[in-house]
Amino acid sequence: SQQGEEDPQALSIQEGENATMNCSYKTSINNLQWYRQNSGRGLVHLILIRSNEREKHSGRLRVTLDTSKKSSSLLITASRAADTASYFCARGAGGTSYGKLTFGQGTILTVHP
Amino acid sequence: EAQVTQNPRYLITVTGKKLTVTCSQNMNHEYMSWYRQDPGLGLRQIYYSMNVEVTDKGDVPEGYKVSRKEKRNFPLILESPSPNQTSLYFCASSSGGLNTEAFFGQGTRLTVV
Repeated sequence: SQQGEEDPQALSIQEGENATMNCSYKTSINNLQWYRQNSGRGLVHLILIRSNEREKHSGRLRVTLDTSKKSSSLLITASRAADTASYFCARGAGGTSYGKLTFGQGTILTVHP
Repeated sequence: EAQVTQNPRYLITVTGKKLTVTCSQNMNHEYMSWYRQDPGLGLRQIYYSMNVEVTDKGDVPEGYKVSRKEKRNFPLILESPSPNQTSLYFCASSSGGLNTEAFFGQGTRLTVV
């Protein structure tokens, strides 16, 4: 089964509001990454949080990681219409599987102007 | 400019006609992989390569072949395409360390009729 299940599957908000997306996973991770995909295009890396980190910021993005609950969240503050996209979390494996990413199904975010 | 280039971007083919989707990266990355993206299933890894002449199966390898004769290229080969291989395909590369981001190509939309 897929790792990195995401919630909600779709999120619709107004410009200026905050958007929160959640990601859960089942097995151990080396890191948890978030990617953005504009309709039908390639994925773009947003942020990576290591398993020994709890929170990370990048511009309007804030990512948290709770390894005890095997969950992560992505917060986009003061959203803009240009943030409309699909967002995916990806579990980064370690050991002999380094480099392998296991993706969730994604959250479709729509930001209305 | 650092990039992963896939070709072609769009392809319509008939069942059984062998095809190759090319992927090239200019970042001297060791790790390359192929994913397919289907509605409701997120991205699933097909094959990956940790270096030249080193490849291994991902989660959905059936019906696909790959090769890694040069560090920069990682072609995906469909020897006898079938309609269930209609999908959006992405090539990705990373430096392969424990905590590194992946760079994605723009995708190849394949339709097998």
